Parts: sequence; structure tokens; C-alpha cells
Amino acid sequence: QSVLTQPPSVSGAPGQRVTISCTGSSSNIGAGYVVHWYQQLPGTAPKLLIYDNSNRPSGVPDRFSGSKSGTSASLAISGLQAEDEADYYCQSYDSSLSGYVFGTGTKVTVL
Amino acid sequence: EVQLVESGGGLVQPGGSLRLSCAASGFTFNNYWMNWVRQAPGKGLEWVANIIQDGSEKYYVHSVRGRFTISRDNTKNSLYLQMNSLGAEDTAVYYCGRVDFSGDAVGHWGQGTLVTVSS
Repeated sequence: QSVLTQPPSVSGAPGQRVTISCTGSSSNIGAGYVVHWYQQLPGTAPKLLIYDNSNRPSGVPDRFSGSKSGTSASLAISGLQAEDEADYYCQSYDSSLSGYVFGTGTKVTVL
Repeated sequence: EVQLVESGGGLVQPGGSLRLSCAASGFTFNNYWMNWVRQAPGKGLEWVANIIQDGSEKYYVHSVRGRFTISRDNTKNSLYLQMNSLGAEDTAVYYCGRVDFSGDAVGHWGQGTLVTVSS
């Protein structure tokens, strides 16, 4: 049972914008720890999408953006494309657990 | 090119042990923190353990403390996970990952190795 909660699924038509929330608490996101986001395509290893709340590694399209406020963070995907169909996970550090935690994961479906 | 290749997975009986390896190449291994992350079949990601560059600091998720040991051999560019007292709840694909950027984002991942605990 993860301490970071994400919606199980989100969907959108090609070209639309979707957002994925990651809700934490005062011992993780709310404590100021950074949030990272990963994309996992079916049958493959995760890939880092956003680090330190809002930064994109080299090669990640600027259609992906991240933000953080209070005890939550969000990942936005604009101009949704079929290749964006994947599972998405947030990650942060939790001081009460003294370790890293991943979100529950969100499946993005392109209609 | 950064490459991480896990090995050592397989079928093991409950209570048994297994040692996973991760061979690193394409970068200066002893400059980076390393992680193990696992994913049970059909489930989400779970951070398992990490280790500092020189191996002097190690951290674990609560559920594996006392049973798993993370280690590294910088002379062999290799990361290890010794897993003892395995239970069905440890069945998962185990990924090794290199920490990049701020110090805790996993920027590079291996392809994973499957561990199945079953009688």
C-alpha cells in the first residue's frame, strides 16, 4: 500500500491534454522532498520522464511537464499521442518510512 | 552508452536464497548511487534498496530489512542483491537502476530479472 496516491486510469483523445495527480502527505511531498515521474511502456523497464518536480531529462519531449504544490504533484501530457499509452508512476522520499516510495501508478489510455 | 544488465533470477522455494547481479558498463560505476527496484506481476513499482558510491551506506525498504543485502564491487562494475528467507511476496521483476541528477532519480534502468518464489 503506497503512501503516494494516483488515479488508476486517465484517458484522452489524440491531441488532448491530460493530467495525472500524485497525492502525498506531510512526511513526503509536503515535507519538501522532490518528486520524479516515470513512464513504463508495456513489457519494458520504467523510463525517467521528469526529475526534481519539473525538469525533463535530455530527449524527453516538452509535451511532458511536471509541477508540485503542497502535498501533491502533477504530471501533464499535452498533445496526447498514441505512443503515450503507458503506466506512469510518481516517486518521492518519505521521512516516516525512511525510504523512497512510488505512487500507485496510473494507466494512460489514448482513445 | 549506459548499460545495466541484471542476472541471477529464477525459481526458488519459499525460505530459499538467491543472489542477483547487475553488470554496469558505459559509465564510471563508482561515481554513482545504485538502486534495486522491484515490480510484482501486474503490480506497481517498489523501491527495495540503495547503496552509496563506496558501499559504506545502504538503505532498505522495511519489508526486506534483515533478509536482503545490497552490495557492490567497484572493481568489477557490479551491483548485487543477496536475498534470503524468500517468501511469495518477494516474487517480482527486479530492476537495478543508476541514480542521476538530484541524487535520487533513477535515470537509467536495466531490463530486469524475474524472481519467482514458489514450491
